Amino acid sequence: LAKTTQPISMDSYEGQEVNITCSHNNIATNDYITWYQQFPSQGPRFIIQGYKTKVTNEVASLFIPADRKSSTLSLPRVSLSDTAVYYCLVVRSSYKLIFGSGTRLLVRP
Amino acid sequence: DTEVTQTPKHLVMGMTNKKSLKCEQHMGHRAMYWYKQKAKKPPELMFVYSYEKLSINESVPSRFSPECPNSSLLNLHLHALQPEDSALYLCASSPTSGTYNEQFFGPGTRLTVL
Repeated sequence: LAKTTQPISMDSYEGQEVNITCSHNNIATNDYITWYQQFPSQGPRFIIQGYKTKVTNEVASLFIPADRKSSTLSLPRVSLSDTAVYYCLVVRSSYKLIFGSGTRLLVRP
Repeated sequence: DTEVTQTPKHLVMGMTNKKSLKCEQHMGHRAMYWYKQKAKKPPELMFVYSYEKLSINESVPSRFSPECPNSSLLNLHLHALQPEDSALYLCASSPTSGTYNEQFFGPGTRLTVL
């Protein structure tokens, strides 16, 4: 499975848009890009998944360029409760979720 | 019911003890998973069950023994653990195997081995 690289940490302020970019240079044709969110002492929670172009749901948007070697998770107007670790994963099937180091997002008042 | 439950929430055990972790889901999912997560590290896959059969064992030491008695229940039996096995143990489930369905995680069991 393709290895993912994402920033270790990010800081933001309430109300701002946050964009977290993930690099996955060795992504294969059958792979999907998936993002999970994890709060301290809780299990990860699925946020969004996409294959190409743009996917949007009620929580976030996921932008994937044509070459699919990177992706960007966009969180509109973050609040303090969005402080969490965000994991970018390349998924070939629902079996193998290989979590990378994740990005620790801190939202400040 | 759209959640995965895990019991107990916390467990402290000695290295000679035998204990079990329990995971339950009533979403009709046929794939269930155990993950281990050390502090400030990402979750690591341990086992995958598909249709109550063990399909993946990520080279986990035999002191961890999974069991899937039925499609709703997943156990992890612990025996002769080491202090380095202290971690958050997460259970997850997903609707079907071999597709891109999301995994639903439980809150985890915080295990401390003395």
